[in-house]
Amino acid sequence: ILNVEQSPQSLHVQEGDSTNFTCSFPSSNFYALHWYRWETAKSPEALFVMTLNGDEKKKGRISATLNTKEGYSYLYIKGSQPEDSATYLCASVNYGGSQGNLIFGKGTKLSVKP
Amino acid sequence: EAQVTQNPRYLITVTGKKLTVTCSQNMNHEYMSWYRQDPGLGLRQIYYSMNVEVTDKGDVPEGYKVSRKEKRNFPLILESPSPNQTSLYFCATTSTGSYNEQFFGPGTRLTVL
Repeated sequence: ILNVEQSPQSLHVQEGDSTNFTCSFPSSNFYALHWYRWETAKSPEALFVMTLNGDEKKKGRISATLNTKEGYSYLYIKGSQPEDSATYLCASVNYGGSQGNLIFGKGTKLSVKP
Repeated sequence: EAQVTQNPRYLITVTGKKLTVTCSQNMNHEYMSWYRQDPGLGLRQIYYSMNVEVTDKGDVPEGYKVSRKEKRNFPLILESPSPNQTSLYFCATTSTGSYNEQFFGPGTRLTVL
């Protein structure tokens, strides 16, 4: 059974704090690792799709790194703002599963206080 | 505008009353999925479809049916809803050209009394 674990489950930070959270995923038969941002009352939207070991992607104040050999990815938010409050989901895609099958973690819920 | 639409967005129903949640996409994606999201459990795949007339069970298919008669539509059918199917449901399409990036619909919040 493939498992994707995210930690912490929830996080409360002050505006301006930098923060990071972790996603661990099965490293065998790795194909891709996705990060999604999910705001309350909306649907999840892709932040990053990562495929290469050592890859680092950045979008504004948010960045992510990927280690496919050991099976983990970090998401960093620099200088958190209240609008960053959301649940951040990671999802692993591995060869051997049916095309398109993602295994989602349970998410990290981030709350940023003004 | 590329989008995935779902209807209804909210539904309160009673046990045993058949219902259908529709899903439609205009991105010409072959692969579509249905997920349910429950507190503490994350997103779990119910059913998926790799193309027209090709559907298969995901992780939690019990109590659900799907059909894929056309590429753009992928309805979720609850023949006899039960309270444990109260959940938030998402339809999604997959972009195989983007390492299976998912594009989600707006969600349907279903309550079964």
